[in-house]
Amino acid sequence: DQQVKQNSPSLSVQEGRISILNCDYTNSMFDYFLWYKKYPAEGPTFLISISSIKDKNEDGRFTVFLNKSAKHLSLHIVPSQPGDSAVYFCAASASHAGGTSYGKLTFGQGTILTVHP
Amino acid sequence: EAQVTQNPRYLITVTGKKLTVTCSQNMNHEYMSWYRQDPGLGLRQIYYSMNVEVTDKGDVPEGYKVSRKEKRNFPLILESPSPNQTSLYFCASSLSPGTANTGELFFGEGSRLTVL
Repeated sequence: DQQVKQNSPSLSVQEGRISILNCDYTNSMFDYFLWYKKYPAEGPTFLISISSIKDKNEDGRFTVFLNKSAKHLSLHIVPSQPGDSAVYFCAASASHAGGTSYGKLTFGQGTILTVHP
Repeated sequence: EAQVTQNPRYLITVTGKKLTVTCSQNMNHEYMSWYRQDPGLGLRQIYYSMNVEVTDKGDVPEGYKVSRKEKRNFPLILESPSPNQTSLYFCASSLSPGTANTGELFFGEGSRLTVL
């Protein structure tokens, strides 16, 4: 049962344009959402996050939007740059849950973003 | 430099030959975790550890063992590897489970394992 889903395996965008990566989740206990970025031969690195009490969080060229009613979040990259080409993982956590959920991130399948010069 | 170090980075082995993937962090983190990455499935948690001598199963623990005898080390043990354990493995650490939840989860560079 995939609780976090990224339905687009890949996305190709022209440099300077907007990249929009999407993520859906099913678990209502999730209250914190994150995006990780992964380059080849490297581990994932944290990019941006959003708490469920917000609907938008911005950090430079990166903005994450959360629609709780639709259980959907998206990552916008504006403007896209060739260096943004990477795999992007959406992740979610039940940050106030105890037991086996404490500390656990549930990841989506990942979306390969390619930004063409 | 703060880092999570995994070894080996690449390994080809045969079915049934025991192997250990080591993981070490130099950040004095309490929380450590192992994930595997497979195409179409993303990153799935294998085992995690809240602190020394405290370990527990993640989502896909079958065929794996871990130990946490020291705070800095969290080895992943495959007692009898099988081809379905061919995967890319990541070790990760965080100051606490709470900080792991909110983005301060640091990953190693990954270990690509092939079981023939």
